[in-house]
This record gives sequence, structure tokens and C-alpha cells, in this order.
Amino acid sequence: GAGVSQSPSNKVTEKGKDVELRCDPISGHTALYWYRQSLGQGLEFLIYFQGNSAPDKSGLPSDRFSAERTGGSVSTLTIQRTQQEDSAVYLCASSELSVEQYFGPGTRLTVT
Amino acid sequence: GIQVEQSPPDLILQEGANSTLRCNFSDSVNNLQWFHQNPWGQLINLFYIPSGTKQNGRLSATTVATERYSLLYISSSQTTDSGVYFCAVELDMRFGAGTRLTVKP
Repeated sequence: GAGVSQSPSNKVTEKGKDVELRCDPISGHTALYWYRQSLGQGLEFLIYFQGNSAPDKSGLPSDRFSAERTGGSVSTLTIQRTQQEDSAVYLCASSELSVEQYFGPGTRLTVT
Repeated sequence: GIQVEQSPPDLILQEGANSTLRCNFSDSVNNLQWFHQNPWGQLINLFYIPSGTKQNGRLSATTVATERYSLLYISSSQTTDSGVYFCAVELDMRFGAGTRLTVKP
């Protein structure tokens, strides 16, 4: 079946603008994760959704970042008033509970 | 939260050599995965291994949950093994900083 998909694959935006990044998880996966990876760095956890439970937002770096997951499926990560330090690859992953996590190809965000 | 440490941070091998990558974690875990991030940035599942030993071709992994570590073994390394290897633990998948492997022909 289809894997995790993310859109757009690349996004260039001006400082101060808002951006929305989309993640389509694997069908039936109850868990969805967002990470950020800056150039040459490891993965920084942002947020975790599990079923209908309240999301774990502990990794969001500031209140400019928010995410939602509609109908237990598609998720949108929104960054308001983007800053240059927000430039990174944003990765989404999904999994069934307690089993393997599968990653999408990522969205490369560049803030100019 | 749980701390995840990986070693070594960087590793350079000659093609055909074997290697062992280590992942230490600060508390008991119920989930642990190893990933390979290829030079194009794609993260690929290698093993889901909260405990025990698994093998897949030239790769194998062992997790000793009671001693809070996991090992990834790469045998007869190939240039295509180059990239960064990450371990991640628990349901919310906290990642280590990774081991950057370079295999030279």
C-alpha cells in the first residue's frame, strides 16, 4: 500500500509569513509524529498524536508552531510568522500502536 | 524524559569491514527502532527491536533491555551502507543524535 506522503516537498517563504505543511499517514495507522531536522543534525521531536488522545505537544519550540490532525488521519503543521531559524526539513511518520514507525520523504522549508 | 545516546558519532570504514553501533538509553523502554537515513534524507526502518536479537541479511541488532542498550551490527560493509544510523525509543520515538557512517571503496 501507499506510504506516508508529505506536501509540499519544498517550500520557500519569506520571513514573517505563515506556512502549512501536510502529512498523509499510512491508512489505519493510529499514531502520527512530526519531527524537524536541521542541516546535518539529528531529529528533533515536535508533536505526537495517538488516536483520539490529547496530542503530546512537548516538543513544539514556540507558540508559533501548532499542529492538528483531522478525523484521525491527515495532519497539518502550521508555523506562523516564520523565522529564518525555522528553516529545516520537517518529517512526518506514522505507526500502528507500539509497532514500527514509517517516515515520509519530508518537506524542506527555507525561510528567506 | 528518556535520554538516548549513540556511539560513535562518526565512523569511517573500508568496504568489507564490520562495525558495531551502540545505543544507550537512560530508562527501561518498551519500544526501540533502528533507522538508516540515506544520503538523500530518506529514513528507512531497519529493525523494530525492543528486546532480543534480529537479523536481516548483513545487518543484525540486539537489544538488552535490562542493561539499557542496543547494538546494531553491520557486516561486510558496502558503500551503500553510508549514511546516518539512528535509534529511537518509546511510543513518542525520541531519537539519539545518530552515528554517521562512511564506507569507502
